[in-house]
Amino acid sequence: GNSVTQMEGPVTLSEEAFLTINCTYTATGYPSLFWYVQYPGEGLQLLLKATKADDKGSNKGFEATYRKETTSFHLEKGSVQVSDSAVYFCALAAYSGAGSYQLTFGKGTKLSVIP
Amino acid sequence: SQTIHQWPATLVQPVGSPLSLECTVEGTSNPNLYWYRQAAGRGLQLLFYSVGIGQISSEVPQNLSASRPQDRQFILSSKKLLLSDSGFYLCAWWHETRNTIYFGEGSWLTVV
Repeated sequence: GNSVTQMEGPVTLSEEAFLTINCTYTATGYPSLFWYVQYPGEGLQLLLKATKADDKGSNKGFEATYRKETTSFHLEKGSVQVSDSAVYFCALAAYSGAGSYQLTFGKGTKLSVIP
Repeated sequence: SQTIHQWPATLVQPVGSPLSLECTVEGTSNPNLYWYRQAAGRGLQLLFYSVGIGQISSEVPQNLSASRPQDRQFILSSKKLLLSDSGFYLCAWWHETRNTIYFGEGSWLTVV
């Protein structure tokens, strides 16, 4: 089956530091890749996505590139802010036949940004 | 407009009581729908998914069940709650045209 592996946290950074959260996947076919963010006490919100190889998703200063050769979708941000403190989930969606799509999530990485 | 909603947002239930969480989507037809549970400080565990009315696939055998009585309605139930059922429950919708996963607001369940 499909799987998503992301770096375990927690990750603690100072404000304005560079952020990388690694994500690799295993899937058959051509999955779509996503990063979701969960702020404390809230549900999951889409941060960015990429639907085919070499696509770059970007939003709010975050970006990730769909690398099929390395099966990776690492999340990066050049300068984090305190407001970026949240849990980040890497995910993929893949068609599994008969009109069904399999959604697979990583375990989440908690990011804390300190002033 | 196309939206997903789930309720209730918060509930505290005694052990042994029943549970019903409801999820509805609007502005679409024949959606793929999913129920996930997130235990405190942990990742997402897929509980059930459904590709259509009356079609339910269970990923983890447990104290919960799901039903899809209407095309845009997905219900998570339990006849008798356990303490271990406590957690954050999320309904999700795979939007095939937009190639995106949308989540409901989430439901916090505390079993006491």
